[in-house]
Amino acid sequence: DTGVSQDPRHKITKRGQNVTFRCDPISEHNRLYWYRQTLGQGPEFLTYFQNEAQLEKSRLLSDRFSAERPKGSFSTLEIQRTEQGDSAMYLCASSLGQASYNEQFFGPGTRLTVL
Amino acid sequence: AQSVTQPDIHITVSEGASLELRCNYSYGATPYLFWYVQSPGQGLQLLLKYFSGDTLVQGIKGFEAEFKRSQSSFNLRKPSVHWSDAAEYFCAVGDGYGQNFVFGPGTRLSVLP
Repeated sequence: DTGVSQDPRHKITKRGQNVTFRCDPISEHNRLYWYRQTLGQGPEFLTYFQNEAQLEKSRLLSDRFSAERPKGSFSTLEIQRTEQGDSAMYLCASSLGQASYNEQFFGPGTRLTVL
Repeated sequence: AQSVTQPDIHITVSEGASLELRCNYSYGATPYLFWYVQSPGQGLQLLLKYFSGDTLVQGIKGFEAEFKRSQSSFNLRKPSVHWSDAAEYFCAVGDGYGQNFVFGPGTRLSVLP
């Protein structure tokens, strides 16, 4: 078990470009979460998957954001037409079970900088 | 909806001194409470959690936390801090069923030699 991995670790892009991040959860974990963390703040929930089904999305997740988990394994988070306000650390976490109180294991994050 | 406050943005303690990090939550029902630690360049790691039962919870790395319903608090403590404890600490509250898992803004801990 190598834990949750995220790729890339850093991404610098220009405003208006599209970016895609990948998250590989712990293999047997059925839940996968995406969070956004800005400097000096705690992680903010974006969305989560139960297997391949996206069950909930935060109002923070604008129409420019889309997430998928096509086979219930890895997940991708795409941001279209990036804005400077999208600059943040994007965290992925996975857990085993049916409830959010089960321990979430976090990846190292992808730091996005939008110029 | 639940919320979490961590009144201390930054705390500095000397190595070997005791530590208490404050966390206050707002939630209408019995909360599920967590403390996570985030070291530079590393993912968040769960220190401990409270669901029910004994209000004093033991965690990893010598940390403990006490749930006080009357004060809506879940403060994290450690009797003797080590230099390796320097990190960002986040308190979180969940409702246990949906995605309503909310993190506080964090407290940055610095440790003096």
